[in-house]
Amino acid sequence: KNEVEQSPQNLTAQEGEFITINCSYSVGISALHWLQQHPGGGIVSLFMLSSGKKKHGRLIATINIQEKHSSLHITASHPRDSAVYICAVRYKYSGGGADGLTFGKGTHLIIQP
Amino acid sequence: EAQVTQNPRYLITVTGKKLTVTCSQNMNHEYMSWYRQDPGLGLRQIYYSMNVEVTDKGDVPEGYKVSRKEKRNFPLILESPSPNQTSLYFCASSRGTPSYNEQFFGPGTRLTVL
Repeated sequence: KNEVEQSPQNLTAQEGEFITINCSYSVGISALHWLQQHPGGGIVSLFMLSSGKKKHGRLIATINIQEKHSSLHITASHPRDSAVYICAVRYKYSGGGADGLTFGKGTHLIIQP
Repeated sequence: EAQVTQNPRYLITVTGKKLTVTCSQNMNHEYMSWYRQDPGLGLRQIYYSMNVEVTDKGDVPEGYKVSRKEKRNFPLILESPSPNQTSLYFCASSRGTPSYNEQFFGPGTRLTVL
């Protein structure tokens, strides 16, 4: 089965730093999702994109279809950004009957005051 | 408020005792899905449903059943739970397939099978 690779696995930074989390996938996709999982476990969708770039507040997501790579950036990071960030893709041809997303293992981000 | 609800949030049970985890959404979404999350493995799809009475297997369906009799509800049934089904379970819904639609997740159900 096609994988989704995220890096880094763990990231600790100081408040105010610019954060970049990377996601790579292997073959053609229909869509890429960035999700945020809070320390309490709840999951929130941040972005869904299939090309280009999207911005929401201090969060920016980009995707390069040719390089099969996406990045999630956080500007002016804050302790409340501490969470696990998960990349998920919908492969065009997932096979096996599954119609869902294939998930990366997540990046555990800690922002220290 | 638009939301996906799951019950129970926490459950400790014993091997072989049938259980049901309920999932309900109030957004009139057609697509619903169940995932399990395990340390080191990430989220994996168990079953999904494209609409009422339409369900299909995901990546890890063994030991689970689902039904979709109403649009809003998508219960997950473990007929004979085993310890390897100890996990964190998430229900999710979206207007349509995740190819083109944002997914909304429930709060999660932490299941322990002894």
